[in-house]
Parts: sequence; structure tokens; C-alpha cells
Amino acid sequence: EAAVTQSPRNKVTVTGGNVTLSCRQTNSHNYMYWYRQDTGHGLRLIHYSYGAGNLQIGDVPDGYKATRTTQEDFFLLLELASPSQTSLYFCASSGTGVNYAEQFFGPGTRLTVL
Amino acid sequence: QEKVQQSPESLIVPEGAMSSLNCTFSNSASQSIWWYQQHPGKGPEALISIFSNGNKKEGRLTVYLNRASLHVSLHIRDSQPSDSAVYLCAVRWEGQGGRALIFGTGTTVSVSP
Repeated sequence: EAAVTQSPRNKVTVTGGNVTLSCRQTNSHNYMYWYRQDTGHGLRLIHYSYGAGNLQIGDVPDGYKATRTTQEDFFLLLELASPSQTSLYFCASSGTGVNYAEQFFGPGTRLTVL
Repeated sequence: QEKVQQSPESLIVPEGAMSSLNCTFSNSASQSIWWYQQHPGKGPEALISIFSNGNKKEGRLTVYLNRASLHVSLHIRDSQPSDSAVYLCAVRWEGQGGRALIFGTGTTVSVSP
């Protein structure tokens, strides 16, 4: 069954710490996305990619790096975590063609920066 | 860049009633508009999309799009307790070098038995 998985599901770190969030999709999709979800702001796009080695900047990229190592794997990196990055993070994937805009989401990672 | 606003913020409806949600967007040239459903502790799931002016019906769901007024609405007929969730409106955005969806902040629907 096609799926998007994320790890870890929960993460607590301290200010200034390094965090890597992982995402894997088995949908054979070209596009992958990282979002953060905060009360009052909804889902905001951090970075996205349309293939291995490609990276596009989203709406709220400051403080985040991302890397797409394969078609299946997309990583979000916080190199100097700050409390403002405490949030619920979602990864998603989508294909190409007529219905490419339908995005399939993972279960989310809750990150707390103390 | 596209902006998406949703109303109301929250909605309480009795079981069996119609739930009506609204969404406005800023660019009449926007491509497809999507509605996603998000249950607590889960990622959003796509419900229905629309591209052309007019309406589209799928089961208990009906979507109306009016590009001239930059407005789209979602109506859920015969609302069930399982429909209790956050509903997100999303508009396709053709950004530099790729494509993405711009999401609204959501409407929380609570269906009371």
C-alpha cells in the first residue's frame, strides 16, 4: 500500500541542538514537501522537491535546510534549533499529471524545542 | 503569492444537518482548489477538488466554485459524527521552479449526535 512515513513521531531537543526529521514515500511520486502546522497559521510550506537532488524554497524556509537523497527520501534539518521551531511537521508527496496536486501526507512529527 | 482565507473558524452542527464551509482566494488564475480533511493526530487527507466554475458532487460532498468572486464552498450533506474534523481549503500555486499548494487556516467542524 502506498504510504508516507515519518520519523521520529515525537522529538524533544534543546535550543541550539541539531535535529533531522526523516520522510519516506512509497508512492513513486516525484514531488515531496515539508510543512509546519501551527495554531492560527495553518499549514505552511517550508521546502519542497521535484526529484532527487532538487530543492525548492517554500514560504517559511528560514532556519531550515532540506535534502532529497533519493526519489523516496526527503530530510528536514534544523541545525540550530530555536523555540520558535516548536511545531507539528508534516511531510507529503504528490505525483505528476492531471491529479498531481493531490498530496498524500504522513502522520506528522511533533517537535519541541526547549 | 496566493492567499487563502476560510470561514467560519469553527462550526457546530447537529447530526443529519448540512455543514457549509467557505474559502476565498486571491488569484482568479489559480488552478485547482482542494479540500482536505484532518482528524486529530493525523495528517490531512484529500477529500475533493474542483477546477472549473460551477459545482461538483461526490457522495455527500458538494463543492461550488465561483472564480469571478474568488470563492469556493464545501457542503457536507447529512453530517455524521465521523465528519468531525478540521477542513482545510488549498489552492494550487505555481511557484518558481515547481508547484505547491497554499493552505487556509482551516474550519473545525463538530457534529453533535
